[in-house]
Amino acid sequence: DTGVSQNPRHKITKRGQNVTFRCDPISEHNRLYWYRQTLGQGPEFLTYFQNEAQLEKSRLLSDRFSAERPKGSFSTLEIQRTEQGDSAMYLCASSPGTGGDTQYFGPGTRLTVL
Amino acid sequence: EDQVTQSPEALRLQEGESSSLNCSYTVSGLRGLFWYRQDPGKGPEFLFTLYSAGEEKEKERLKATLTKKESFLHITAPKPEDSATYLCAVLSGTSYGKLTFGQGTILTVHP
Repeated sequence: DTGVSQNPRHKITKRGQNVTFRCDPISEHNRLYWYRQTLGQGPEFLTYFQNEAQLEKSRLLSDRFSAERPKGSFSTLEIQRTEQGDSAMYLCASSPGTGGDTQYFGPGTRLTVL
Repeated sequence: EDQVTQSPEALRLQEGESSSLNCSYTVSGLRGLFWYRQDPGKGPEFLFTLYSAGEEKEKERLKATLTKKESFLHITAPKPEDSATYLCAVLSGTSYGKLTFGQGTILTVHP
């Protein structure tokens, strides 16, 4: 059973550029989550999918952020017109849904905005 | 709004010196409390889930306990490889799946 995978692991971009991250959850997990973590802080919730439906979004998810989960499998998180304040670790997690609330995290994508 | 506060922010121990980490929380109907371990530059690694006051879980040198207002992570005879950041998170009964995390406790175990 492979764990949650995320790509790329590192991304360096210039301010104003768009970036997209991908998350592949544990197979058969129908729930998928995105979090953002800055240095010295715990992860902050961004959004949640059950299958392909986006059921919960944080106020942190501004209009520049969008997430999709087509066909209820992998998910993408896009940030448009990046700002230096977007620099952070972006974490994806998945959980099995029925029978378990425990979220299992991927290795994260480290974003640096210059 | 759900809140989680962890203490201390940092803890330095000698190898073999047992101690405890604290996680205090306020939440609208606790659905679960979770402990994770995080190594630098990596994603959080799941340790324990606790669902109700009085529950305890153990794994190797770690033991997690839960009351109605706080949780403790007890570390018995720690080793240098236990050095990491330990994160506590709560899941509210009013949320679909949002975990609210504390800021973490940075544990360093010296040989």
